[in-house]
Amino acid sequence: QVQLVQSGAEVKEPGSSVRVSCETSGDTFNNYAVTWVRQAPGQGLEWMGGIIPIFGTTNYAQRFEGRVTISADESTNIAYMEVSSLTSEDTAVYYCAGQEGHDILTGYYRDWGQGTLVTVSS
Amino acid sequence: QSGLTQPPSVSGAPGQRVTVTCTGSSSNIGAGYNVHWYQQVPGTAPRFLINGVTGRPSGAPDRFSGSQSGTSASLVINGLQAEDEGDYYCQSFDSTLSAVVFGGGTKLTVL
Repeated sequence: QVQLVQSGAEVKEPGSSVRVSCETSGDTFNNYAVTWVRQAPGQGLEWMGGIIPIFGTTNYAQRFEGRVTISADESTNIAYMEVSSLTSEDTAVYYCAGQEGHDILTGYYRDWGQGTLVTVSS
Repeated sequence: QSGLTQPPSVSGAPGQRVTVTCTGSSSNIGAGYNVHWYQQVPGTAPRFLINGVTGRPSGAPDRFSGSQSGTSASLVINGLQAEDEGDYYCQSFDSTLSAVVFGGGTKLTVL
């Protein structure tokens, strides 16, 4: 099991950007993929996209393409997710989730971070 | 919009068996993509329950089992316990959307 520890809660103004980090335990990125999932208040889970750090390969949900950037730093085993042009509809808890292997799209997410609440408000 | 449909809620008494369904289409479950299941207790992160290939992870209660057939999948919980209360989500891949899709979630209440 890999531990995922996310950065703390954020409050952002509309139109700004937010970056959330997800630190993995141990030397995990050699055979690991990280996915980002968000959950708006009272709503279900929504897949945003993922990355295979060792290859730098990313996949995004179409609705987030161009507004969300997922990246990873192999030297620190930290993955990042940045959302730009924030609106109130982006208020949600953002989770990173991990899996062994490189099957971002059809695989399952064994490990989960604790979640990061992002509140967008003026 | 291709996606996965779950009933909003299910309930059962302690010791009973409950089933949570996940209905998809020919572009996701019907295309043979595996369905995975997660449990989420309110206020906490989702927890992986069942994968569509090998079933339960090691250490997971054997009261939980999953199956899929045609365009649907099911999560069965035997011997319901109070600690099973929470929200359950199915997950698969949709080839039309070329994206991971989650069901809307099902709230399980133990009576």
